[in-house]
Amino acid sequence: DVKVTQSSRYLVKRTGEKVFLECVQDMDHENMFWYRQDPGLGLRLIYFSYDVKMKEKGDIPEGYSVSREKKERFSLILESASTNQTSMYLCASSLWAQPQHFGDGTRLSIL
Amino acid sequence: AQTVTQSQPEMSVQEAETVTLSCTYDTSESDYYLFWYKQPPSRQMILVIRQEAYKQQNATENRFSVNFQKAAKSFSLKISDSQLGDAAMYFCAYRAAGNKLTFGGGTRVLVKP
Repeated sequence: DVKVTQSSRYLVKRTGEKVFLECVQDMDHENMFWYRQDPGLGLRLIYFSYDVKMKEKGDIPEGYSVSREKKERFSLILESASTNQTSMYLCASSLWAQPQHFGDGTRLSIL
Repeated sequence: AQTVTQSQPEMSVQEAETVTLSCTYDTSESDYYLFWYKQPPSRQMILVIRQEAYKQQNATENRFSVNFQKAAKSFSLKISDSQLGDAAMYFCAYRAAGNKLTFGGGTRVLVKP
């Protein structure tokens, strides 16, 4: 079974902090994704990566950056956290054109 | 840009009964995929069923089936013989060429014993 692991289930940070959300997958998938989930809006794509050191902006990249130094790890970075970034963050991975497998999510609160 | 709309924020069903969740989408593509994902309280997103647009036959997975109407751009999910474990958020999603998924806003399904 594919395992996508997000480093934290819950996280509380303060406004202005630099925040790192980590995601690791164990199935050698080339594609990795970061979404945020908000009530009534479903999941919205922040960034995705189709290879090491490659990244593409999704639909809502503003205020975020990503890093993919190794194939199995995809990090989401909030350079200066703001309260409107309080949300659930979901990581996913997949082979090309195959269904995505999701982690359990990180519920992030920015105070 | 593609959009996916789920018009029912919440649906309630009696155990053992059937419930149908609606999903419509907007696209100019002719070749694409549609998905239904389930998210229980544990938050793990689980793929329930998928449909290739070029296939006319509706996909079925055990108690889950879809009604895919390509001309109407409609993709509804039917859950038959509902069980308590079916209680969850359900998301409809669209994917054209490549890997980007576009999700609807979700429908919460409540199952009454």
